[in-house]
Amino acid sequence: KQEVTQIPAALSVPEGENLVLNCSFTDSAIYNLQWFRQDPGKGLTSLLLIQSSQREQTSGRLNASLDKSSGRSTLYIAASQPGDSATYLCAVKGGGATNKLIFGTGTLLAVQP
Amino acid sequence: DVKVTQSSRYLVKRTGEKVFLECVQDMDHENMFWYRQDPGLGLRLIYFSYDVKMKEKGDIPEGYSVSREKKERFSLILESASTNQTSMYLCASNQGLAGSYEQYFGPGTRLTVT
Repeated sequence: KQEVTQIPAALSVPEGENLVLNCSFTDSAIYNLQWFRQDPGKGLTSLLLIQSSQREQTSGRLNASLDKSSGRSTLYIAASQPGDSATYLCAVKGGGATNKLIFGTGTLLAVQP
Repeated sequence: DVKVTQSSRYLVKRTGEKVFLECVQDMDHENMFWYRQDPGLGLRLIYFSYDVKMKEKGDIPEGYSVSREKKERFSLILESASTNQTSMYLCASNQGLAGSYEQYFGPGTRLTVT
């Protein structure tokens, strides 16, 4: 059974720092991995989607990498800003016919001004 | 831009009431999902639908039903609301293989059952 873990559960950094959020999964037979951002009391916003055949994806100050064989993905945020404060979740979609995403429990990020 | 909308941001209902949560997506997505999110438990899938009138149970379907009469609309029904159904409910959709299964979420409905 696929399990997705995000460490750390919470992170606090000063503004301007580069930071890395981690996501690990137990079954490497994934179709893709998606990173989301969630602001308090709101829905999830898709940040980046990495297909299983890809190694990384970039969008602005965000870069997500995928190492399927080791069951790991990282989300790199460059030059963090207070507006980046949110919960970040990763989710994997398994291979085959399943349409389900398996979510991690998230990392709560606080960027201090 | 994909847009997923939910009928209410906040809802307060009494125990035993029948509750309808509605979700609409505007991108002709084939797949739609209902999740609930609770502190410490993360997101849990209640039901999903891969076509009009087609549905499949997720991980926690008990106490819920769904309806998909039109492709763009997916409703979650609580037949007789109970206090343990107080939660944040999130609707999502994706285009399946054609869209690489990238999932898009609505803003959420915070339901309180008293």
